[in-house]
Amino acid sequence: DGGITQSPKYLFRKEGQNVTLSCEQNLNHDAMYWYRQDPGQGLRLIYYSQIVNDFQKGDIAEGYSVSREKKESFPLTVTSAQKNPTAFYLCASSIGTTSTEAFFGQGTRLTVV
Amino acid sequence: QQQVKQSPQSLIVQKGGISIINCAYENTAFDYFPWYQQFPGKGPALLIAIRPDVSEKKEGRFTISFNKSAKQFSLHIMDSQPGDSATYFCAASGFGTASKLTFGTGTRLQVTL
Repeated sequence: DGGITQSPKYLFRKEGQNVTLSCEQNLNHDAMYWYRQDPGQGLRLIYYSQIVNDFQKGDIAEGYSVSREKKESFPLTVTSAQKNPTAFYLCASSIGTTSTEAFFGQGTRLTVV
Repeated sequence: QQQVKQSPQSLIVQKGGISIINCAYENTAFDYFPWYQQFPGKGPALLIAIRPDVSEKKEGRFTISFNKSAKQFSLHIMDSQPGDSATYFCAASGFGTASKLTFGTGTRLQVTL
C-alpha cells in the first residue's frame, strides 16, 4: 500500500534531550512537509522540502532541524532548544511544486517531561 | 499572522441537518483551497478541494462554496451523519509553493442523533 509512515506513534522524552521523528513515504512524491498541531491552533508548518538535499524553514522552525538525504525520507529532530516541544507532529507529502493534494501520515505524539 | 480564519470553533448539528463551516483568507496569491477531515489521533485526510476558477464544487454530501471577491469559502455538509463527527480544517496554498498549506484553526463538528 502506498502512503506515509510515521514512527513511533507515541514518544516520551526527558526535557533537554534531542529526539528524532521518522517519516517515510512510498508515493514517489517530491515534496515533503512537517507540521505541528496544538489544540486550538490548527496545523503550523515547521519545515518543508521540495527536492532531495534541499529544505526550507516554515513558520515555526526554531528549535527543529531536518534532513532530506533520500526522496522517501524526511526525519525531523526536535532539539533541546525547542521551548515547548510537547505536541502532535504530522508529516505530509505532495507530488511537487504545484498546489495539489497533500497526503498526511498518522502522526507522532511527542510528550516531553 | 493568521492568513486563514476559520469559524466556528465548534459546531453541534442534529443528524440530517446541514453543517456549515466558514473560512476567510487574506493572501490573493492563494489558488488552491482544500478541506481536510481529521478524526482523533489520526492524520488529516483530504475531503474536497476547489480552485478559484469555479464558485462551487460538490462531491456527494460535501459542497464547497467559493467567493473570490469576498475572499471567503465555506464547507457545507448536507444530511449530516454521526460518522461525520470530526475536526475539519480549511487550508490554502499558492502556485509554486509546493502545496505549502496554510491552515485554519479547525472546527470540531459533533453530529447528534
